[in-house]
Amino acid sequence: EPEVTQTPSHQVTQMGQEVILRCVPISNHLYFYWYRQILGQKVEFLVSFYNNEISEKSEIFDDQFSVERPDGSNFTLKIRSTKLEDSAMYFCASSGVDEKLFFGSGTQLSVL
Amino acid sequence: GDSVTQMEGPVTLSEEAFLTINCTYTATGYPSLFWYVQYPGEGLQLLLKATKADDKGSNKGFEATYRKETTSFHLEKGSVQVSDSAVYFCALSDQSVRTDKLIFGTGTRLQVFP
Repeated sequence: EPEVTQTPSHQVTQMGQEVILRCVPISNHLYFYWYRQILGQKVEFLVSFYNNEISEKSEIFDDQFSVERPDGSNFTLKIRSTKLEDSAMYFCASSGVDEKLFFGSGTQLSVL
Repeated sequence: GDSVTQMEGPVTLSEEAFLTINCTYTATGYPSLFWYVQYPGEGLQLLLKATKADDKGSNKGFEATYRKETTSFHLEKGSVQVSDSAVYFCALSDQSVRTDKLIFGTGTRLQVFP
């Protein structure tokens, strides 16, 4: 079965540093998403991306966050200046016209 | 806004025991309901779904029925196996928009011992 790939699986960074989380969605998918889960809390929607632009974003997705599909295969989430509260598991997902969502295995981000 | 509440874990069972994981929701519209499962080291996978009242989703021996009157979508399995050990997430989506934007619960960890 096709799968969404996320790298790295774990990322440790210092507060204030920039991080880029990488995802390779399923190749024929058109819709891309980032979700996150802070330890012990709900999985939260961050942003959706379609046709090379953000289609929807949550209140969490402030100016510190950005997404990009730089080369037609990768889909990245950048956090410009990380805060302690950005520590979470970040999930990338993609879907096609059938609206079935496929998730990656996540990147655990730890901000120290 | 819309939300999902599911029972706290971990749920610890012996093999062949009966499983129930409770899930209730709050929604202004008429949502689709989902259960996702995350096995260790893997991504979330769709386990089952239901799109209208009284629909029963089923897969791999798991079942859940869309109960509009109680706003619930409880997950059940008659006889769990060690391989069912995972984290289970209840979720909903607003059917008035694309159904792949999901609102999740916190997840419930299931541990099955032989």
